[in-house]
Amino acid sequence: DVKVTQSSRYLVKRTGEKVFLECVQDMDHENMFWYRQDPGLGLRLIYFSYDVKMKEKGDIPEGYSVSREKKERFSLILESASTNQTSMYLCASSPYSGYEQYFGPGTRLTVT
Amino acid sequence: QKEVEQNSGPLSVPEGAIASLNCTYSDRGSQSFFWYRQYSGKSPELIMFIYSNGDKEDGRFTAQLNKASQYVSLLIRDSQPSDSATYLCAVKPPTGGFKTIFGAGTRLFVKA
Repeated sequence: DVKVTQSSRYLVKRTGEKVFLECVQDMDHENMFWYRQDPGLGLRLIYFSYDVKMKEKGDIPEGYSVSREKKERFSLILESASTNQTSMYLCASSPYSGYEQYFGPGTRLTVT
Repeated sequence: QKEVEQNSGPLSVPEGAIASLNCTYSDRGSQSFFWYRQYSGKSPELIMFIYSNGDKEDGRFTAQLNKASQYVSLLIRDSQPSDSATYLCAVKPPTGGFKTIFGAGTRLFVKA
């Protein structure tokens, strides 16, 4: 079974803090994704990576950056957390482009 | 027009009935189609994927794809209360690189 893990299930941070969310997959997948999910807005893609050190912006990259130094690990960074970044953050991995995605358990981030 | 549209529901069916979930997409050249199930507070999990026109069956689940009409549906036979969840339709468009477009989801409630 594919396993995608995320560093925290729940996180509370203050406005202006730098926040790191980590994601690790154990299936040697090429592609990894970061989404946020908000009620009524569905899943929105923040960034994705198709190879080590390679990344592309998704639909809502503003205020976020990513890092992929190793194939199995994809990090999402909130440079200066704001209250409108309070959300559920989901990491996913996929073996190839256009194939199914496997999601981690999610991190519920609250910024106060 | 949204790229992937689903009725938000809730769709309510009695236990043992067939639940029919529908999804339409705007990009005619789309090739890959996925259904995910998401329980409240959990992350999405893949149920089925379909690439070719017609039906694909897996246990109590059947995915139906009609590319000419640009819709994909999910039928759940013998619905159980444990099927109560939000069902996300996802489509891989022909352009857009590695992105998969998710619908906002349909909430299904199966009454015991």
